[in-house]
Amino acid sequence: KAGVTQTPRYLIKTRGQQVTLSCSPISGHRSVSWYQQTPGQGLQFLFEYFSETQRNKGNFPGRFSGRQFSNSRSEMNVSTLELGDSALYLCASSLGTGGYYEQYFGPGTRLTVT
Amino acid sequence: DQQVKQNSPSLSVQEGRISILNCDYTNSMFDYFLWYKKYPAEGPTFLISISSIKDKNEDGRFTVFLNKSAKHLSLHIVPSQPGDSAVYFCAASGSTGTASKLTFGTGTRLQVML
Repeated sequence: KAGVTQTPRYLIKTRGQQVTLSCSPISGHRSVSWYQQTPGQGLQFLFEYFSETQRNKGNFPGRFSGRQFSNSRSEMNVSTLELGDSALYLCASSLGTGGYYEQYFGPGTRLTVT
Repeated sequence: DQQVKQNSPSLSVQEGRISILNCDYTNSMFDYFLWYKKYPAEGPTFLISISSIKDKNEDGRFTVFLNKSAKHLSLHIVPSQPGDSAVYFCAASGSTGTASKLTFGTGTRLQVML
């Protein structure tokens, strides 16, 4: 069974631009969660989608948004990029919603904002 | 507000000895705890979990201990092997509200020396 895939793997953007990251979950998984990883901050939860509905949201500004499609694929968008948005963005899929279900992570998208 | 804390950013252990990684949490709504392991350029992978109804869970060389009164859990790796060198994240979840998302600690980098 194919794992979680994320595209692109690496991205360089300029301050003020916007970016869209994509995540394809494991087949049959209906929940997709997004995390931001930065040095010293660990994995910070961004949001979770299940059956195209946002089920939970972390403490990030409204510049961070996401969506999920009917095939469970998910995208996250960051508008008006800031230098502090440079991070590894990880996507995880699971069978069900919430932390009780084992989450399978993709390799991440490394975003650099200059 | 860091609800899951890993106070040791790094740990070095000799091959064959025991590695002990610690984690503290503050949210009393958490009732399910997990450890993830992360190699560079890969997403985190699930290692072991424990429910709050237990105080110990074992899987091969890995054992997780939970002390609910102290809001503390630890991961023991015995014996440690060079392939265990990675970043270990502690995570916690509950059943309702904001606790239902997976909350991660900041990670501990384990280096197992030959």
